[in-house]
Parts: sequence; C-alpha cells; structure tokens
Amino acid sequence: QVQLQESGPGLVKPSQTLSLTCTVSGGSISSGGYYWSWIRQHPGKGLEWIGYIYYSGSTYYNPSLKSRVTISVDTSKNQFSLKLSSVTAADTAVYYCARASNWGSYRPGEFDYWGQGTLVTVSS
Amino acid sequence: QSVLTQPPSASGTPGQRVTISCSGSSSNIGSNTVNWYQQLPGTAPKLLIYSNNQRPSGVPDRFSGSKSGTSASLAISGLQSEDEADYYCAAWDDSLNVEVFGGGTKLTVL
Repeated sequence: QVQLQESGPGLVKPSQTLSLTCTVSGGSISSGGYYWSWIRQHPGKGLEWIGYIYYSGSTYYNPSLKSRVTISVDTSKNQFSLKLSSVTAADTAVYYCARASNWGSYRPGEFDYWGQGTLVTVSS
Repeated sequence: QSVLTQPPSASGTPGQRVTISCSGSSSNIGSNTVNWYQQLPGTAPKLLIYSNNQRPSGVPDRFSGSKSGTSASLAISGLQSEDEADYYCAAWDDSLNVEVFGGGTKLTVL
C-alpha cells in the first residue's frame, strides 16, 4: 500500500519561500509510471493543482503559479519537494502531495494516493 | 469561479439515489476523462471514480460515473450516512494546460 506524508513548516512569513517535502513509502518513485504531484486547498475552498514531477526530473507546473514554483525529486530518499517563493496570505492553504497515473501523456491521470495534507499559514 | 461547475450542495435521505453534476467545456470534459473525489470532513480527498466511470478497488458499486459531451455526473445509490462528504470532479484542460477541479458539492444525508 502506497503512503505519502507531507512535512515542513506550518508557518511561513510573507515574501519568504514555502518548502514542503513528501515522503513516499510502499512504492518507489524510481519505478516510473506515475507523476508525483502537489495540490492545495485554501481554507473552506476547492482544490488547486500546483504541478508534478516525474522520476526523471521532468516537471509540469500550473501556469498561474509557474513563476514561483519549483518541484524537485530525491529518488535516493524516495521523496519529492515543493518550493513556492514570494508567498503572501493568499498562499495559506492545506498542501497535499499525491500520486497521479501516467497514461502516456503529459496530462496527469487520476490522483489515486494522497497524503494527509499539511496546513501552511502565511503570516508575520 | 471554478472552470468546472458543480452545484454547491445536494441532499438525500438514506436509501435514496442522488446525482451530482459537473459541467465543463470542449477543452476539458469534452476532450479528456473525468475523475471524481470524495472528501470526508477533515480528511484528504479520496479517488472515487476515474476515467469517467471506473471504480478503484474498494469503492462500493453504489457509486457510478458517467460522461456525455461536456458534462459528467456522479450517482450515488442506496445513500448512507457515511456518504456525507464533499465531492469534486476533475479533468485536464487543454486550453489552460492545467488540471482543473470543480468547486465541490457538499452532500448532506438527511
């Protein structure tokens, strides 16, 4: 059974960089076949896809966040990470890491495994 | 304003059948598959339906999905109290180049 777990600071100051790591267990990122993704949910709101990374390091980002987002992977630790720069209060959200199926296209398939989510608050 | 439009709320009594709609456009639902997620209070979303109408292992057959043109629907039959949750549809949008989600539908079991 694949499990994902987010970790990182719960409080980030405005203008700083939000950094989160997702640790994957029960499966290897290096095995390929999946896009490792970040999704966020603003308080009381819907879901917003941030982007994904493939085990090879290829990435695909939400155009609305692309200038501030970096997703990286460390296959030796079976982890992938999110960095979001120049944060504001609008970036306050629960951040989820998730696994998406790769159906042979750059488009991610269904998100079949999710982490429990971590709340990140942007405040001074 | 979400790209995919869902009713904000739905309700039903135990045993009833309810449907939740998801309306999109030719660039998302019209050209890509639809997935549905269930989010119980205080938990992460869970995959409920993928590729329009496929159920992952472990999802009861009370849940079914369909798609026609630029709209999709999630049906829940034999409604149970534990089905009370938020439901989200999702699809890739070829114009925006992003995975888009519906705004979510809060299902209440009366």
